[in-house]
This record gives sequence, C-alpha cells and structure tokens, in this order.
Amino acid sequence: AAGVIQSPRHLIKEKRETATLKCYPIPRHDTVYWYQQGPGQDPQFLISFYEKMQSDKGSIPDRFSAQQFSDYHSELNMSSLELGDSALYFCASSSMSGGALSDTQYFGPGTRLTVL
Amino acid sequence: GENVEQHPSTLSVQEGDSAVIKCTYSDSASNYFPWYKQELGKRPQLIIDIRSNVGEKKDQRIAVTLNKTAKHFSLHITETQPEDSAVYFCAATPFGNEKLTFGTGTRLTIIP
Repeated sequence: AAGVIQSPRHLIKEKRETATLKCYPIPRHDTVYWYQQGPGQDPQFLISFYEKMQSDKGSIPDRFSAQQFSDYHSELNMSSLELGDSALYFCASSSMSGGALSDTQYFGPGTRLTVL
Repeated sequence: GENVEQHPSTLSVQEGDSAVIKCTYSDSASNYFPWYKQELGKRPQLIIDIRSNVGEKKDQRIAVTLNKTAKHFSLHITETQPEDSAVYFCAATPFGNEKLTFGTGTRLTIIP
C-alpha cells in the first residue's frame, strides 16, 4: 500500500539559510500534519491542514510557514535557520472523510535536518 | 491543553516475558489513544489504538486497556521477542484527525 512520502530525506543547511520540506500524503488522505522530533524527545506538533486550509497550529516558530496545495501535498518552509532547528521532521496524513475509524495518522519516513 | 505522562522511561525484560507501559492524560475530552513504535531514526509506526467507547483491545501479542474514569491507558506486550526492542510512544487526542499529544516515550529492551 502507498505510504506517506517525504523529501528530501536528509538536509544539511547553514545557520540563517532557508529550507523547504515536502510531504506527499497517502492517496485520498485529506489531512496533513507536521511534527518535529528532537534527539531523544517525543514528536511535537507544529501545524496541520485539512482540505488546503490550516486546521490547527502548535508550537511552530514564526520563522516557519507551511501550506497544503491543490493536490494535497504540503510544504514546510523554514527561514533564518538556527542550530536548535536540527531535528527529524515528520509528516503524517489521515482522512477525515472516511469517518472516525479511518482517521488514524500515518507517518512518513521523516526529513533529518541538520543546521551547522 | 492535553498533557500525557508515560512510565517507565526505560524498561528491560527477558525474552518471553511480558512488558507493560502506562500512560495518563489530563484532558477529559480525549477520545482516541494510539500507540506508536519507533526504531532509531525511523518513523513512528502505529501498533495499536483504542477509542473511548472500548475498554480493551487486543491484537495477537499486543493489548491496550483504557480507564476513562482514571484517565489512564496501558500497553501490554506478551511473549516479548528481540524485535520488540524499540521506543514506544503513547498519544492522546480528542479525535484521530486532530493533533496528537505524545507521551515522553519508553525505551524497551528485550534481553535474549
């Protein structure tokens, strides 16, 4: 079965640079979530989108922005990168339209961002 | 907002024994409780979940119990195997299509 796709898988940036992470949800999934996971920590919710509209916002820095496009893929844009932004960034997707039993969140393989 | 506590942070068990991980949550509005298994550097993978209208759910060697009154839920793994070694996260949310609030994780090590 098709899974969530994320690109790139690894990204190395210098401080103050920008980065763009991409997420392609499972086909027919309409909701996308972004999570940040630091070393040895649990995933922290950043932001989510349903039908191309922002549905919820967590502890996302103002330097970060995200959107969901008409084909349901999503991009997380990160500017003025700081050393502390180094983490694994996961995208997850789910389907609201399938009812409560189909709303499970499935995670992509993640993008490992290293800021030097 | 929701706060999820998870214990223990590390757990070592002999192969073949059982492992139990416990979580408590704070928001009485939470109704969906998934458990994820994460191997080093890899994605969290859903292993089992439970909704508030069910008190227990089992899938082969894995079971989850939920006590809504006490706001706690537990993961039980029986007949543990070396491949069960990983970090396990519990999570809570009002509905599956809302943000997940994770516990701090349990590093489970199965000793051969």
